Amino acid sequence: AQKVTQAQTEISVVEKEDVTLDCVYETRDTTYYLFWYKQPPSGELVFLIRRNSFDEQNEISGRYSWNFQKSTSSFNFTITASQVVDSAVYFCALDGYQKVTFGTGTKLQVIP
Amino acid sequence: GAVVSQHPSRVICKSGTSVKIECRSLDFQATTMFWYRQFPKQSLMLMATSNEGSKATYEQGVEKDKFLINHASLTLSTLTVTSAHPEDSSFYICSARDRGLDTIYFGEGSWLTVV
Repeated sequence: AQKVTQAQTEISVVEKEDVTLDCVYETRDTTYYLFWYKQPPSGELVFLIRRNSFDEQNEISGRYSWNFQKSTSSFNFTITASQVVDSAVYFCALDGYQKVTFGTGTKLQVIP
Repeated sequence: GAVVSQHPSRVICKSGTSVKIECRSLDFQATTMFWYRQFPKQSLMLMATSNEGSKATYEQGVEKDKFLINHASLTLSTLTVTSAHPEDSSFYICSARDRGLDTIYFGEGSWLTVV
């Protein structure tokens, strides 16, 4: 069985603040992928990142960065200098090949 | 551009009718496609996994006679909601696995409203 936990249901920050979205997962698979998706109010899923379980290097893409710690089964997502356009629901997901399991999502509201 | 196309993006149907949603992989062959359902302010829940040429595997609690899934080709899977009721109104989204790149892609989703 696999499980993804996003403990933060909603987060509000003021524009330009940094914010970290937490993701903790459980799986028995030795090979898996972790994803982050953004879902704006329009509904479509916007792909942000995919990380292989063997690659624990942190990644930075513009204002976005991800911290993958296999020892704690966490894959946290940080937005630096948040902007109003970052307001959305963010989902962490685990692809154990047989199925993809999503977390419950974190709603981020960036206040101008 | 999108590599997985879902159609229609929005559909309104009358209660008791059936509605079909298509999911197409545009640039790759998808041996496995997944169908999800999302209620307002909730997460995406896997409904079923479909493999090309075989019967779909449904998650527990999903009525296979109500949500018919067909995966007749390597680029097309369809979800048919039969005898739709207002409680079936939801956001449905598909994803497809690209074996070559070993990754998955999501469609844009379909909003279903049953009136």
